[in-house]
Amino acid sequence: SQTIHQWPATLVQPVGSPLSLECTVEGTSNPNLYWYRQAAGRGLQLLFYSVGIGQISSEVPQNLSASRPQDRQFILSSKKLLLSDSGFYLCAWTRARSYEQYFGPGTRLTVT
Amino acid sequence: AQTVTQSQPEMSVQEAETVTLSCTYDTSESNYYLFWYKQPPSRQMILVIRQEAYKQQNATENRFSVNFQKAAKSFSLKISDSQLGDTAMYFCAFMTRGGADGLTFGKGTHLIIQP
Repeated sequence: SQTIHQWPATLVQPVGSPLSLECTVEGTSNPNLYWYRQAAGRGLQLLFYSVGIGQISSEVPQNLSASRPQDRQFILSSKKLLLSDSGFYLCAWTRARSYEQYFGPGTRLTVT
Repeated sequence: AQTVTQSQPEMSVQEAETVTLSCTYDTSESNYYLFWYKQPPSRQMILVIRQEAYKQQNATENRFSVNFQKAAKSFSLKISDSQLGDTAMYFCAFMTRGGADGLTFGKGTHLIIQP
């Protein structure tokens, strides 16, 4: 069976510090991968998606970036965090050419 | 661009009652998929039910069913025999065929099941 992992689960970072969130999927190959952000009391906003290694598409211009160094690894980064980057970050995956998306447990990021 | 609207920020019903959550969407696509996700206090997003736009038959998963009205662009979720564990945020979501560009979510409905 397939599983998706995210870490860390919780993170508190000062403004201006760097960020690295990691997502990995097990039990499948060549998945489509996604990063979403959920602000307090709101729905999810798609940030990035990837259909393969090194292929990243951005939905929202901001100070965040994403990378996919391996088939089942997706990383969300920032060089300098802003207060507005606080939120709950969710990674998701689908099989290629499928349509059901499955989510990881998420990372709660607080920028102070 | 697609939009998804959930007009009920919060709903509350008694245990064992039936409740219907509303969702409307706007798209120019003809092939797409619709979903309901549940987010309990743990914040794990759980897929509840899905509907392919090309299928006229409404999807059903145990106590959960949808009423899909393609012409009206409406996609409501009915929960029968509601249980305390159904208390959660429920999000309606849209995906174009292929899905590579991800899900578009509504803002959610907070459903509270009262004992």
